Amino acid sequence: SQELEQSPQSLIVQEGKNLTINCTSSKTLYGLYWYKQKYGEGLIFLMMLQKGGEEKSHEKITAKLDEKKQQSSLHITASQPSHAGIYLCGAASGGGADGLTFGKGTHLIIQP
Amino acid sequence: DAGVIQSPRHEVTEMGQEVTLRCKPISGHNSLFWYRQTMMRGLELLIYFNNNVPIDDSGMPEDRFSAKMPNASFSTLKIQPSEPRDSAVYFCASSRGEKLFFGSGTQLSVL
Repeated sequence: SQELEQSPQSLIVQEGKNLTINCTSSKTLYGLYWYKQKYGEGLIFLMMLQKGGEEKSHEKITAKLDEKKQQSSLHITASQPSHAGIYLCGAASGGGADGLTFGKGTHLIIQP
Repeated sequence: DAGVIQSPRHEVTEMGQEVTLRCKPISGHNSLFWYRQTMMRGLELLIYFNNNVPIDDSGMPEDRFSAKMPNASFSTLKIQPSEPRDSAVYFCASSRGEKLFFGSGTQLSVL
């Protein structure tokens, strides 16, 4: 089965600083999803990457998928308190709609 | 659209009691998923349905867990009897493809 390793497990960043979260897969990724979870709430979809080398941005968040399609990174520029939460990467197993396997998440805390 | 609706938001029960969690997926979505989230194990897929039919329940931890989807707009996850180690946040998600839409979850505490 596919396993996703996220790093770091937790991150404390001063407001205004940049940060990067990584997600590494044990197998080739067919689709890589980034979700954000606020404490006590459900997961909110951020971005989906499918092609090797693909990069997508939304506001101050940029996600990339490497050429080999086994690693993805999520980069936040000029972090704000609203960015605080848990970031999870999820992977599709091979093209079917049979659910996503998730990493354990990265807990992000923004210090004012 | 109201999104995926789960109830209750919080459930506190005593060991041995039956617990039923409910989920209403987004209208038009044909897949429904039940996940469990704990600090130790993260987010685990328990079972998923496609067109109301259970496709893969290999993630269901024990026979004490059962899930049903009697129609396209409703699903339940039942734990009977409940145990303290079942304490977790249970999420329901629905989809029309690979992208999942999650409910707000049910925080379950078994004392």
